[in-house]
Amino acid sequence: EAGVAQSPRYKIIEKRQSVAFWCNPISGHATLYWYQQILGQGPKLLIQFQNNGVVDDSQLPKDRFSAERLKGVDSTLKIQPAKLEDSAVYLCASSLLLVTGLEQYFGPGTRLTVT
Amino acid sequence: AQSVTQPDIHITVSEGASLELRCNYSYGATPYLFWYVQSPGQGLQLLLKYFSGDTLVQGIKGFEAEFKRSQSSFNLRKPSVHWSDAAEYFCAVGGGNQGGKLIFGQGTELSVKP
Repeated sequence: EAGVAQSPRYKIIEKRQSVAFWCNPISGHATLYWYQQILGQGPKLLIQFQNNGVVDDSQLPKDRFSAERLKGVDSTLKIQPAKLEDSAVYLCASSLLLVTGLEQYFGPGTRLTVT
Repeated sequence: AQSVTQPDIHITVSEGASLELRCNYSYGATPYLFWYVQSPGQGLQLLLKYFSGDTLVQGIKGFEAEFKRSQSSFNLRKPSVHWSDAAEYFCAVGGGNQGGKLIFGQGTELSVKP
């Protein structure tokens, strides 16, 4: 089966610009996660969707970050305006259900550099 | 507070030598524990997980981990390391009423000497 797809793989922008990332989860997976991985750190959950509803966005900087999952399949994560500290790898993951301990499958990530 | 600590930022082992990566966690409820591996430019891949039962769990690629509740630890081991094991390893904890949310450690980078 196809894995989690993300695009673009790399993005360089200047501060105060906007950027959007796209994620296509594994077919049939109801739960989708966006993580931020800053260099030298482990991934940190930004937002979690169950179908097209938000389950947890407590760690999402809502003044500049937004995410949506229309139709409960693909998802986009947007940053507007970007700051230098947003430089990181943005990982998308999906799992079959919103069940504790169920395996999350990760995409390759989008590496964002803000200059 | 819920947290995961991986004390070793970088470890170097010789090919064929044994490996142990340390992980300590702080979690209020019964923890679900995971080890993921990340190769350069790749996403994370699940190596193994522990929910309950036998405290020694086997994973893919010859890895195993042991859950020790008294020490709040979940260390990853491999008896003989291969050059292809060079990667970044992340320990993570989840569970309770957190749904699928995982809290990751900062990672341990493994280098393998020929």
